[in-house]
Amino acid sequence: KQEVTQIPAALSVPEGENLVLNCSFTDSAIYNLQWFRQDPGKGLTSLLLIQSSQREQTSGRLNASLDKSSGRSTLYIAASQPGDSATYLCAVLTGTASKLTFGTGTRLQVTL
Amino acid sequence: DGGITQSPKYLFRKEGQNVTLSCEQNLNHDAMYWYRQDPGQGLRLIYYSQIVNDFQKGDIAEGYSVSREKKESFPLTVTSAQKNPTAFYLCASSVTESSEAFFGQGTRLTVV
Repeated sequence: KQEVTQIPAALSVPEGENLVLNCSFTDSAIYNLQWFRQDPGKGLTSLLLIQSSQREQTSGRLNASLDKSSGRSTLYIAASQPGDSATYLCAVLTGTASKLTFGTGTRLQVTL
Repeated sequence: DGGITQSPKYLFRKEGQNVTLSCEQNLNHDAMYWYRQDPGQGLRLIYYSQIVNDFQKGDIAEGYSVSREKKESFPLTVTSAQKNPTAFYLCASSVTESSEAFFGQGTRLTVV
């Protein structure tokens, strides 16, 4: 059974700092990995999708990497801003059930 | 504007009542999903549908029912058999079951 872990559970950084969020998964037989952002009381916004054959994806200040063999992904946020404050979730799509398995998220606060 | 619309945003249910949560998408996606989110837990899959008139149980289907009569619509009924229905419910869709998932803004269900 696929399990997804996100560390740390919460993180507070000053504005302008670069930061890394971590995601690990137990079953490396994945189709893809997706990073989402969730604001309080809202739905999920898709940030980046990495296919199993890819090593990384970039969108603006965000860069996500995938090391399938070691079961790890990182989300790098450059030059953080207060508007980046949210919960970040990673999810992996595992083959047999065609479903996403989610981590419990990292709650990020960027302070002025 | 393309997207996923969930309604209502807030829903209150009395003990013993069935309630139905609406999810509509105009993205022409084949696959649709229902997730439940509880504090401190990752999202858990309730039901998913890969095509019209077909759906499968997820990890926590007991006490829930769905239908998929139209491509655009995937309503979720929370029945009286669901003992702990208070949660945040999220609907998602994707082009296929292995492509990027997009989420609605959620429905918060509270038992009163």
